[in-house]
Formats: sequence, structure tokens, C-alpha cells
Amino acid sequence: NAGVMQNPRHLVRRRGQEARLRCSPMKGHSHVYWYRQLPEEGLKFMVYLQKENIIDESGMPKERFSAEFPKEGPSILRIQQVVRGDSAAYFCASSPSLVEPQHFGDGTRLSIL
Amino acid sequence: ELKVEQNPLFLSMQEGKNYTIYCNYSTTSDRLYWYRQDPGKSLESLFVLLSNGAVKQEGRLMASLDTKARLSTLHITAAVHDLSATYFCAVEADTGNQFYFGTGTSLTVIP
Repeated sequence: NAGVMQNPRHLVRRRGQEARLRCSPMKGHSHVYWYRQLPEEGLKFMVYLQKENIIDESGMPKERFSAEFPKEGPSILRIQQVVRGDSAAYFCASSPSLVEPQHFGDGTRLSIL
Repeated sequence: ELKVEQNPLFLSMQEGKNYTIYCNYSTTSDRLYWYRQDPGKSLESLFVLLSNGAVKQEGRLMASLDTKARLSTLHITAAVHDLSATYFCAVEADTGNQFYFGTGTSLTVIP
């Protein structure tokens, strides 16, 4: 039973480019969460999605960031016109329900040149 | 916004010693989680504490939860080098939608 799969593991972008981060939840998990981790800090919640629906995006920056979890395929976190401050590790987690623990992927480390 | 504070932020301890990491949170919640993170790696779930007075133990680690005091502890007994990592507590908001993570405790166990 594969865990939460994120790709790419490392992503380098120049300022102004777009970054797309992918997350395939564990089999049977319909709840997906995205977190951002800055160096030497804890994880900060960004967004919570269920299939085709954004449930809570209170942690998402209002501009340039968007997330989706289509009926088919992985969840995507999209960052448009990246800036240096977007450099961070982005973690995806999934759970089968709200009362089950979240399982984390290995993260995508985004570096902005 | 729910705030979660851990202390200490950095901990250096000798092998064989005992120590406790503290996690305080600012609002009511009955669900608290402890995770371990090795450098460059993802988070590994250690403990899930779901009620007041819950205590769980795995090897040299023991976690407890006091919901009235809004406090969880992670106690390390007779530390070994393999325990060196960053430990995070996370509190689940009552709405169940998101976790709030502490700042982490970076533990280094010295031989």
C-alpha cells in the first residue's frame, strides 16, 4: 500500500515562473491537505480539499496560489509568478476521514532563483 | 487562530539521560499528535492522543495529554543517538479541518 506520493521531490524555478506541485493521496483517502514549511519552522496549514471541492483555504495566500483535487488524478498546488519568499518545503497529507490521522508525503522542496 | 508553542526549541542531551518536551496550545482541542521529522524527510506519526489523560508509550518515548491545562508532554527515557530528530506536536482544530503545528524541538543526542 503506497504512501502519499509527492512529485517532484525538488523543484527549481526562476522568479516569475510557475510552480506545479503534485500529490497523490494514499489509496482510499479522499481528504487532502497542503502545508508549507519554512526552514527551521513548523508546518503551516494552507488548504484542505476533498474530491473536486476546496473545503478550507484559510491558510492560502490570497494571490498567486491555488489548489485543486480533480475527480481523476492527483491534487495540484499551483504557484504563479513565484518569488524568492515562496522557497520552502511543501508537504501534502491525506486521510480517509476527518477523524483519522493524516499521513504525510515526503514533500517537495521548492527553490526560487 | 489556534497557537501551539513547544519548548525547548533546541535540546542537546547525553545518551542515557531523560528529558521532557512540552507542547502548549491556546484553545480547546481534544486531538493532539506527535510527529518526528529527520532532516530532509517527511513527518512520521508517533502518537495520536484523543482524550484528556491519554498516555501512550512506544519504546523510549511516552506522550501524554492534559486537555484542561492544554498541555501535552513527550518524555524521553534513557536517550539514544537514534532519537536525534526534530519533534513536532500538532493540534487539530475543533472544526477538524486543519492541524496547527508547533515550532518543533530539535533534539540532538550526544554519545
